[in-house]
Amino acid sequence: GQNIDQPTEMTATEGAIVQINCTYQTSGFNGLFWYQQHAGEAPTFLSYNVLDGLEEKGRFSSFLSRSKGYSYLLLKELQMKDSASYLCAVSVYNQGGKLIFGQGTELSVKP
Amino acid sequence: NAGVMQNPRHLVRRRGQEARLRCSPMKGHSHVYWYRQLPEEGLKFMVYLQKENIIDESGMPKERFSAEFPKEGPSILRIQQVVRGDSAAYFCASSPTEENNYGYTFGSGTRLTVV
Repeated sequence: GQNIDQPTEMTATEGAIVQINCTYQTSGFNGLFWYQQHAGEAPTFLSYNVLDGLEEKGRFSSFLSRSKGYSYLLLKELQMKDSASYLCAVSVYNQGGKLIFGQGTELSVKP
Repeated sequence: NAGVMQNPRHLVRRRGQEARLRCSPMKGHSHVYWYRQLPEEGLKFMVYLQKENIIDESGMPKERFSAEFPKEGPSILRIQQVVRGDSAAYFCASSPTEENNYGYTFGSGTRLTVV
C-alpha cells in the first residue's frame, strides 16, 4: 500500500524559517514532489527529488532520504504570500506520471 | 504557450444531472491526468489517459464516472447522476511524456457543486 503523512497545519512568523516534514511508505518509490496550493487555486510545482540530498531553489529547499522514507520542504525568509497549503506527493515505478498525494500542510504566516 | 485549460471553472448541478468537465492539455502534451480534491482533503488520483486510450483508471469510482481523451479535442471527465458527495474540485494535468520528472502543470480546476 501507499501512505504519505504530513502535519495538517503549521504556523510561522514572517521572516522566519519553517520546515514541513513528509514521511512516506510506498512500493516502487520513483521520486518525491512538493507543490504549493493557495486557497481556491491549482497546485503549482515547487520541487522534485529522486536522489538523497538537498535541492535548493531560491528561498525554497527540499530534502530527501530514501532509506528513511522522509522528506522536508524548507522555506526561508517567510513572506505573507507563502501562506498556503503545501502538498507532498510521490511517484511510483511503472505507473506513468501518476502522483500519490499527502493530505497537505496548511501553513499560516503571521506578521 | 497556453497552459492546461479547464472549463467550466465553476459548475452547479442538481442531484441526478450529468456533469461534463473539460480539459485541454498544453500544446504538444499527449498525457492527461485527472485528480479530485474533496473539501479539506488532499488530491486523489482518478485516471490517466493518453490520446484515445485509458492507461490507468484505478482511482475512478466504479459507477457513474467515465473519462475520455479523443484524438481531436479536449479530455472529458463525465459524471452521471451526480450526488452531493461528488461536490469537489476536479483538476487535470498534462505532460509530454509518460515520465513525470519535472512536475506536470495543473489546470485551474473545475469546482463542481451539487445542490
